Amino acid sequence: DSGVTQTPKHLITATGQRVTLRCSPRSGDLSVYWYQQSLDQGLQFLIQYYNGEERAKGNILERFSAQQFPDLHSELNLSSLELGDSALYFCASSVGGEQFFGPGTRLTVL
Amino acid sequence: AQSVSQHNHHVILSEAASLELGCNYSYGGTVNLFWYVQYPGQHLQLLLKYFSGDPLVKGIKGFEAEFIKSKFSFNLRKPSVQWSDTAEYFCAVNAGSGGSNYKLTFGKGTLLTVNP
Repeated sequence: DSGVTQTPKHLITATGQRVTLRCSPRSGDLSVYWYQQSLDQGLQFLIQYYNGEERAKGNILERFSAQQFPDLHSELNLSSLELGDSALYFCASSVGGEQFFGPGTRLTVL
Repeated sequence: AQSVSQHNHHVILSEAASLELGCNYSYGGTVNLFWYVQYPGQHLQLLLKYFSGDPLVKGIKGFEAEFIKSKFSFNLRKPSVQWSDTAEYFCAVNAGSGGSNYKLTFGKGTLLTVNP
């Protein structure tokens, strides 16, 4: 158990819909990272928040957004969902250079 | 930009065979290097990491990796694999002096199948 929690574990929705994925970092970790894992793209960095502020952006679509709240939990919002958004979404929190991964949310878009 | 190459897409071994998975990275500065393992249906678990110091690092479950700076490589090894090592293995890198930004760049992964 890494100490990072993610909800929900599974999410099934339809194209065009909007979903919110939630991540709670390890106690004391200020950084939250979001990653997408898909069969064709592999593991890709999406976005990072540090103490409430966006710190780095990766291959994140404009339809996706994220935020980090004062209690440091983070949410990843995915809208206008397409079939290709089906993937495993991981969050990680870090202290220094090492990241600790949550169990992931498996998103299926039908 | 950072990039990571894992040479083998799928490796099939018999129990007790030795394992070496290749990983090369591309980055001009100081790096931190990682190997993660993902068992079927599970999340990423850290096997080992290299930040600085002894280039031969030992991790969990009998795995080790050697950082060769001149070759930009960080190969994973295990002298004798077990059926329970069947999993996907990812090499990853981040900037060694990222300040508050340590985003990871992953390789495509190597699926290891160990036959009993």
